[in-house]
Formats: sequence, C-alpha cells, structure tokens
Amino acid sequence: AIWMTQSPSLLSASTGDRVTISCRMSQGISSYLAWYQQKPGKAPELLIYAASTLQSGVPSRFSGSGSGTDFTLTISCLQSEDFATYYCQQYYSFPPTFGQGTKVEIK
Amino acid sequence: EVQLVESGGGLVKPGGSLRLSCAASGFTFSSYSMNWVRQAPGKGLEWVSSISSSSSYIYYADSVKGRFTISRDNAKNSLYLQMNSLRAEDTAVYYCARLAEAAAGLGRIDYWGQGTLVTVSS
Repeated sequence: AIWMTQSPSLLSASTGDRVTISCRMSQGISSYLAWYQQKPGKAPELLIYAASTLQSGVPSRFSGSGSGTDFTLTISCLQSEDFATYYCQQYYSFPPTFGQGTKVEIK
Repeated sequence: EVQLVESGGGLVKPGGSLRLSCAASGFTFSSYSMNWVRQAPGKGLEWVSSISSSSSYIYYADSVKGRFTISRDNAKNSLYLQMNSLRAEDTAVYYCARLAEAAAGLGRIDYWGQGTLVTVSS
C-alpha cells in the first residue's frame, strides 16, 4: 500500500490568510491525487483532482500543485466557510488511501 | 441531481451482521463504479471496498476482506455492503460514494452519501 503523510495535522489561521497543506507519498503516484474538504457532521466534498484540476463549482482561491511524491493544497485567501478538515487521497493504486487530515481552525 | 442515500446502520453486537444499502438517483447508476468509505468517530477516512459498474471487478481493504461483501443491483439502482463478523473497530460512519470516471476501478470520488452510522458494541 502507498503511505501518505499529510501535514500539518492542525493549522490555526485567520480569515484572509494564505494557507498551505502538504501531502507526501511513500512512492510516486504521478498526478493521481485528490483533495477533499469535510465539515463537521457532513460528507467530504471534492475540491481538486489530478493534483491541480479544480472541481466544478469550487472557488478559485483553492489550488493544488505537485506530482510524483509531493503535493500541496493552497487556499489563497481563507474565508470563514473554509474552516474545515482537508484530506488528500491517492488513486494511483489499490488500496486507495487518504491522508490523516488537516484541521484548519480559527486562530 | 445526483443523490446517494444510505440506510441500514445501527447498533450490533460484536460478531453480528448488518447489511447496508445505498439508493442512487439522478445519474445512470449502471455506468459507474461505486465505493464504500468509512470514518470512525473523530478519525480520518478509510476506503472499504469498490465495485465496478457491472460487478466484474471487486476490491476490499485488508481490514474487511473475508468479512464484508460488496454488491450492487443495477436494476434497482442500489449498492449494498453485507458486513459479517463485526468488530468494535468497524464502528464508523459508512459512506456510499461514486467514482467520477465511469469505467474506472480507481479514481476520485465526486459524490458522497450522507453516511450511516454503524456501532459495534456489546
């Protein structure tokens, strides 16, 4: 299985901040990576796929980059509705695996 | 509008069984691979099982292999997860989830159900 290290696990930030979340793979996965946002009590929602493609309807302040083993999710200007937990997921090989999650909280 | 509605969760004793269902609507169910993904209370997401559109390809996480069975009925637009020999560590919210690429076994998940809670406890 491909292991993923997502960091940080907790990120304290203020509205308007630029934040970045990292996801590192135990082996190369090309660009087969997705990012999801999950709010308490809700199902996850797809933000980005193929490492850098924005899902339809997702605000442009979200962006993704990287390939191979190192990936980044960036929120350029944090909004109140962005305080949530974010997960990366690789879909390069079975089993598909998720990162441990990054909780973005209000500073 | 794509909708995935899970049902069948509840409280079950260790060693017991439960069958989850997922009713799909708003898309051509028979064209898409489907997944079950679970989330233990306060924990992260864990992929459980995948089934291809025609049920030709089925995959399981090692943690559930031999105990869980995924299936689907395309005529009824429904996905199922039969869970046997349940353990305390199977306690989680179980999500029904659609893969975005119709013919894929692996891929991004573009739609999720609201989840159904399974609690395994004596």
